[in-house]
Amino acid sequence: DAGVIQSPRHEVTEMGQEVTLRCKPISGHNSLFWYRQTMMRGLELLIYFNNNVPIDDSGMPEDRFSAKMPNASFSTLKIQPSEPRDSAVYFCASRRGQGYTEAFFGQGTRLTVV
Amino acid sequence: QQQVKQSPQSLIVQKGGISIINCAYENTAFDYFPWYQQFPGKGPALLIAIRPDVSEKKEGRFTISFNKSAKQFSLHIMDSQPGDSATYFCAASMAAGGTSYGKLTFGQGTILTVHP
Repeated sequence: DAGVIQSPRHEVTEMGQEVTLRCKPISGHNSLFWYRQTMMRGLELLIYFNNNVPIDDSGMPEDRFSAKMPNASFSTLKIQPSEPRDSAVYFCASRRGQGYTEAFFGQGTRLTVV
Repeated sequence: QQQVKQSPQSLIVQKGGISIINCAYENTAFDYFPWYQQFPGKGPALLIAIRPDVSEKKEGRFTISFNKSAKQFSLHIMDSQPGDSATYFCAASMAAGGTSYGKLTFGQGTILTVHP
């Protein structure tokens, strides 16, 4: 199994540009999480999907952020327009079920907005 | 109520020593408490997890101690090694029931450095 695959690994963009981060969860996993990691705030949960449906998006910072999961094998996190304060490492994670199961993380996307 | 508070922020231990990281939670509906380990440039990976029906779980040098009445749990790393140097995160989730079931909430993380 290739694990959770995120792309791109690194993204540098100018303020105001649209940024799209992509995630392919592990096959058979029906829960998907998007996290943002910064030194100041640690690992923040942005949004959580179960069976492709957003269950909790209370962590999405503002309307500039949106996430979709059109099918069980793909999810996107979009920032439009991007701002320097969005610079962080964004992780996608997936797990089988919602119970006492391990969440597997991707390698992350390091986003830098200049 | 969804918060998980972790301490200390950083920890320096000598090789062979014991590393202890603590976490506290408020929501009594949490019923799954994993610890994740993260190395630089990598995503977090599950280290060990516990459910509240037991007070302790041990896997090799890693032990979780759980105090349900105090709503606290801790990670103990015995005989700490330089290879254990990483960031450690505690987490909590509700496995069933409620609108946030399955949601995995992390503590702030602890940067552990083990000196040789």
